[in-house]
Amino acid sequence: DAGVIQSPRHEVTEMGQEVTLRCKPISGHNSLFWYRQTMMRGLELLIYFNNNVPIDDSGMPEDRFSAKMPNASFSTLKIQPSEPRDSAVYFCASSSRTSGSDEQFFGPGTRLTVL
Amino acid sequence: SQKIEQNSEALNIQEGKTATLTCNYTNYSPAYLQWYRQDPGRGPVFLLLIRENEKEKRKERLKVTFDTTLKQSLFHITASQPADSATYLCALQRDDKIIFGKGTRLHILP
Repeated sequence: DAGVIQSPRHEVTEMGQEVTLRCKPISGHNSLFWYRQTMMRGLELLIYFNNNVPIDDSGMPEDRFSAKMPNASFSTLKIQPSEPRDSAVYFCASSSRTSGSDEQFFGPGTRLTVL
Repeated sequence: SQKIEQNSEALNIQEGKTATLTCNYTNYSPAYLQWYRQDPGRGPVFLLLIRENEKEKRKERLKVTFDTTLKQSLFHITASQPADSATYLCALQRDDKIIFGKGTRLHILP
């Protein structure tokens, strides 16, 4: 298996533009997580899905952020409009939920820079 | 609010010695505690998981302890090697909630 796939790997955009980050989880995994990592705040959980259904989006910073999972093999995280403070590395992770414990498999991340 | 603390300063250890990293937490009762390794420019990689009713878990040169009274986990790497240099993150989980510490940078000096 290729592991969790994220695209793009790097994104540079201007303030106010829409940004869409993409994730393909590991085949057979039924949970998907979106994280944001910065030096100041570390790794923060934004939202996670179980069986394609959003379970907890309490980490989504504000209405400018939205996430979808239309099927088991694809998810998007959208920021509209983007702001410089959104600059960070965004990770997608997937796992196979078994008796409540998660070993999460992370993708390589998307480094987002908003100018 | 829930808080996880890991050594904010980088840890420098001589090759061959045991490296010990600390993860302390407050206002939380995790069912599981996990340790991840993160290399620059990469996503975290899972290393070990320990449950709240376990005191210690080992895997090759790695050992994790979990003290729910002290609200602390210790992560040990024995016979450390320069290849062990990385950032190590602890993560606490209960039910559907998982929170990560900011990580400790470990440098193994040859």
